[in-house]
Amino acid sequence: QKEVEQNSGPLSVPEGAIASLNCTYSDRGSQSFFWYRQYSGKSPELIMSIYSNGDKEDGRFTAQLNKASQYVSLLIRDSQPSDSATYLCAVFSNTGNQFYFGTGTSLTVIP
Amino acid sequence: SAVISQKPSRDICQRGTSLTIQCQVDSQVTMMFWYRQQPGQSLTLIATANQGSEATYESGFVIDKFPISRPNLTFSTLTVSNMSPEDSSIYLCSVYSNEQFFGPGTRLTVL
Repeated sequence: QKEVEQNSGPLSVPEGAIASLNCTYSDRGSQSFFWYRQYSGKSPELIMSIYSNGDKEDGRFTAQLNKASQYVSLLIRDSQPSDSATYLCAVFSNTGNQFYFGTGTSLTVIP
Repeated sequence: SAVISQKPSRDICQRGTSLTIQCQVDSQVTMMFWYRQQPGQSLTLIATANQGSEATYESGFVIDKFPISRPNLTFSTLTVSNMSPEDSSIYLCSVYSNEQFFGPGTRLTVL
């Protein structure tokens, strides 16, 4: 079992819709969770971090964490074509002080 | 957030040669990492660069092939030795300072 799992997609949503990206992780001791956006040919860019159960909102982005279910998600409201990118879920495990990345979900927002 | 620079940004190298990639951070950080990302793939951790001691390599990566230096808390180098076309990839330096940030990457092509 991989440490972090994401649906690879591709996920397509129309402009203005809500895009929902999901991620599960295996290490129950994980404490820090991150979402990165990566445009083609560019390095990953941190867009959200979340550390406690519940929702965290930042502009059009909402991260949701459920540690009991070992599940973290990212919602993008009012999706724009500029949101088209690959979204990487990352988990920091206190066991071994290491980050684990999912394989990424490719999102396309259709104008 | 940390500002990370990498040099070179890209290079084309001949088989059998070596390339050293430099990573400079604008602040002192404890944890620095080197990743590889092949086209269309997610991130693969090569090693954790430890200041004052040998790097910690992930399975499948060895010091003879990817020697790493970390002379201080703001600088690290990764050398890709005796290159083959399979080493063609993007190499990313990353730091962890409450959150994980990535450098712009070095795009390496081996002919």
